Amino acid sequence: EDQVTQSPEALRLQEGESSSLNCSYTVSGLRGLFWYRQDPGKGPEFLFTLYSAGEEKEKERLKATLTKKESFLHITAPKPEDSATYLCAVQAFFDDGGANNLFFGTGTRLTVIP
Amino acid sequence: DTGVSQDPRHKITKRGQNVTFRCDPISEHNRLYWYRQTLGQGPEFLTYFQNEAQLEKSRLLSDRFSAERPKGSFSTLEIQRTEQGDSAMYLCASSLAYKPEQYFGPGTRLTVT
Repeated sequence: EDQVTQSPEALRLQEGESSSLNCSYTVSGLRGLFWYRQDPGKGPEFLFTLYSAGEEKEKERLKATLTKKESFLHITAPKPEDSATYLCAVQAFFDDGGANNLFFGTGTRLTVIP
Repeated sequence: DTGVSQDPRHKITKRGQNVTFRCDPISEHNRLYWYRQTLGQGPEFLTYFQNEAQLEKSRLLSDRFSAERPKGSFSTLEIQRTEQGDSAMYLCASSLAYKPEQYFGPGTRLTVT
């Protein structure tokens, strides 16, 4: 059964204090691993897709990396506007090669203090 | 740039009433997904459509839930005889069939009193 575990559940950082969020996953055949940002009361906002171990993607202060068992979202010199819940999700291949729904973790709630 | 839109954004209803939500996907996207999210949890998959065909339904989707996408464009999600446990954020997402990235709408927050 597909499983996604995110840690920590909550993280408080001072502005400029870099850190990493972890996403451990178990999936029968990984088609993609996704990172989303979600602000309170809003829908998830797509950030990155990673497809294979060793892949890295960057966007502004965020960098996502992928291994065969986990993914990290590194936040460099965060600002208060980076405060949000960061969700990790996996998408598995089906036997027929199709891939459908996303399976989400419970997220990491990040607070960046000025 | 028109993203996924959902209507209404908030719905308060009494237990036992029926409710219907609408989702308009990104115009060129032929896949449309419904998810449900409760407080402190990640979104959970409910069902998805490719064009007008409903191709998969989660075990979470009880008989009181029905979804349609009649012309392969917008979709509706109806909940009959609502229960307090149905209170959640209902999220719609869309994607292209050959690309895995799903783009979410703002959600409809349902409160059942």
